Amino acid sequence: GDSVTQMEGPVTLSEEAFLTINCTYTATGYPSLFWYVQYPGEGLQLLLKATKADDKGSNKGFEATYRKETTSFHLEKGSVQVSDSAVYFCALGFSSNTGKLIFGQGTTLQVKP
Amino acid sequence: EPEVTQTPSHQVTQMGQEVILRCVPISNHLYFYWYRQILGQKVEFLVSFYNNEISEKSEIFDDQFSVERPDGSNFTLKIRSTKLEDSAMYFCASCCGGPTYEQYFGPGTRLTVT
Repeated sequence: GDSVTQMEGPVTLSEEAFLTINCTYTATGYPSLFWYVQYPGEGLQLLLKATKADDKGSNKGFEATYRKETTSFHLEKGSVQVSDSAVYFCALGFSSNTGKLIFGQGTTLQVKP
Repeated sequence: EPEVTQTPSHQVTQMGQEVILRCVPISNHLYFYWYRQILGQKVEFLVSFYNNEISEKSEIFDDQFSVERPDGSNFTLKIRSTKLEDSAMYFCASCCGGPTYEQYFGPGTRLTVT
């Protein structure tokens, strides 16, 4: 079945470090891919998305490129801030169904000053 | 900015009791969802709801679960007879008209079954 796998956390970085959170997927067909972020005590918020191969989603300094050949959608940021500390979820969804999302297990990022 | 709200934020109940988790989706949205996350595990899809009926449900969503949109604004998830393994964070989500897949999530209700 369709699934998403994320790198294990927690990830601990110093401020201004480079961030990569790996995400790979297995899907039949051509899904859209998403990154959601959850700050402490809040709901999941859409961070960025890509709807087809080679698309790059970007927002708030984060970016991810839809790589069909490697079935990946890795999240990157060049210089993290303490305020980026959160849980990050990779997810996929299809346009031909009800729009349910299939999530990875989430990766906790902690950024230290 | 419009947001999805959920109540209560935390619910503690005894095994075998019924619970109702409440959600107020964004007002002009047409698609509604419940997801859950057992501690340390993935966020899992439970059910989607459109046009006043269930459009899809997962195998987790058995006869003990039901959903309702009783008054055009609230969207509820009922668990008829809770089990220990129902302890999880339950997230409600809603999506705008048409399948754009920008689902907006509520902050979640933490359900603890003792």
